[in-house]
Amino acid sequence: SAVISQKPSRDICQRGTSLTIQCQVDSQVTMMFWYRQQPGQSLTLIATANQGSEATYESGFVIDKFPISRPNLTFSTLTVSNMSPEDSSIYLCSVAGGQGKAETQYFGPGTRLLVL
Amino acid sequence: DAKTTQPPSMDCAEGRAANLPCNHSTISGNEYVYWYRQIHSQGPQYIIHGLKNNETNEMASLIITEDRKSSTLILPHATLRDTAVYYCIVRPPSGTYKYIFGTGTRLKVLA
Repeated sequence: SAVISQKPSRDICQRGTSLTIQCQVDSQVTMMFWYRQQPGQSLTLIATANQGSEATYESGFVIDKFPISRPNLTFSTLTVSNMSPEDSSIYLCSVAGGQGKAETQYFGPGTRLLVL
Repeated sequence: DAKTTQPPSMDCAEGRAANLPCNHSTISGNEYVYWYRQIHSQGPQYIIHGLKNNETNEMASLIITEDRKSSTLILPHATLRDTAVYYCIVRPPSGTYKYIFGTGTRLKVLA
């Protein structure tokens, strides 16, 4: 399976600021996804990061709040903009479409964000 | 997208088999059943998946009923390290990799 890293692993931010989260995978993958997991909740898909085109956002998530970049087949970033305490969550990236089980998603370790 | 229903929590004695059920009564013929687990807010870990036949790997076994409306994940000899939230997911057909996570089952393995 792919080895996925995320930076930062955790952060504490002030409201009104923005944070960019990086996701790096050790092999080329077709699909990259960004999820949010609010405290005590399950995972919710934010968007699919498409290489060479704009991300596809799920209902309830907008590009102005969560801009995403996907410059190549191994890297993506998610920015949480104009943060409020409600944005305190774990943000996870996942990948699919690589070698082996191509349609299985593999998840990164997550970024724990606390907004004060 | 097919939805899944899982019991919110289960306990299992260490060394015994843990059987985690999942209902996916609206599953369509070409949708796969996937299982993941999440240990203490780490990233979800892939366990196993299947379409129609039962599957086994080094981590677990997956039993899918003949009508495919439900499945059971079996951890044959549960250990304390298997304490986690287990998610059953129905994945749409090829070309659509999107997952919809339900609430999962919180499994607690007891010493």
